[in-house]
Amino acid sequence: ETGVTQSPTHLIKTRGQQVTLRCSSQSGHNTVSWYQQALGQGPQFIFQYYREEENGRGNFPPRFSGLQFPNYSSELNVNALELDDSALYLCASSSDSYTEAFFGQGTRLTVV
Amino acid sequence: RKEVEQDPGPFNVPEGATVAFNCTYSNSASQSFFWYRQDCRKEPKLLMSVYSSGNEDGRFTAQLNRASQYISLLIRDSKLSDSATYLCVVSSGSARQLTFGSGTQLTV
Repeated sequence: ETGVTQSPTHLIKTRGQQVTLRCSSQSGHNTVSWYQQALGQGPQFIFQYYREEENGRGNFPPRFSGLQFPNYSSELNVNALELDDSALYLCASSSDSYTEAFFGQGTRLTVV
Repeated sequence: RKEVEQDPGPFNVPEGATVAFNCTYSNSASQSFFWYRQDCRKEPKLLMSVYSSGNEDGRFTAQLNRASQYISLLIRDSKLSDSATYLCVVSSGSARQLTFGSGTQLTV
């Protein structure tokens, strides 16, 4: 076990709704990155938070937003859900950008 | 063109076989290189980092050619437990975000 936990594990939402996914980072890790993995594809970088500030962002629209809290846990929020948002959402934590990132088990989101 | 391209696979090999995966990346400013392993419906896990000098971890050997922007992974004496999807990964940018290939599925 990596010590990175995500909740919920599975979720079904309707197109147009909003969703919040949560990630608890491994103890001592202050950097959290979020990835989206569509079926049959590799994970794609959404954004990274370092000490509560966004530290980098991939090619995702503004309806994907995030937060990092003082305890370094993080949330991913997606507004106006689209069918193509159906994917496995992975959170990875590390002690900084330069060290190994450990992934949580992911949240499988289905948009219907 | 994808930033990281891998052999499409799938690879189906008998136990004991040697199998090689290849990968190319397009960003010459990429800083670090990895192979991750992902079991069905599980999270990716780091298999090994890849260095220009080449590196070996038991039955696994990884090579990096920065000039050709090419990464490889060799698995010797394949075991049933090696069955998984292997993801070629490069790190780049100020956030050192990971860019993944689409993965190559291996069935032993």
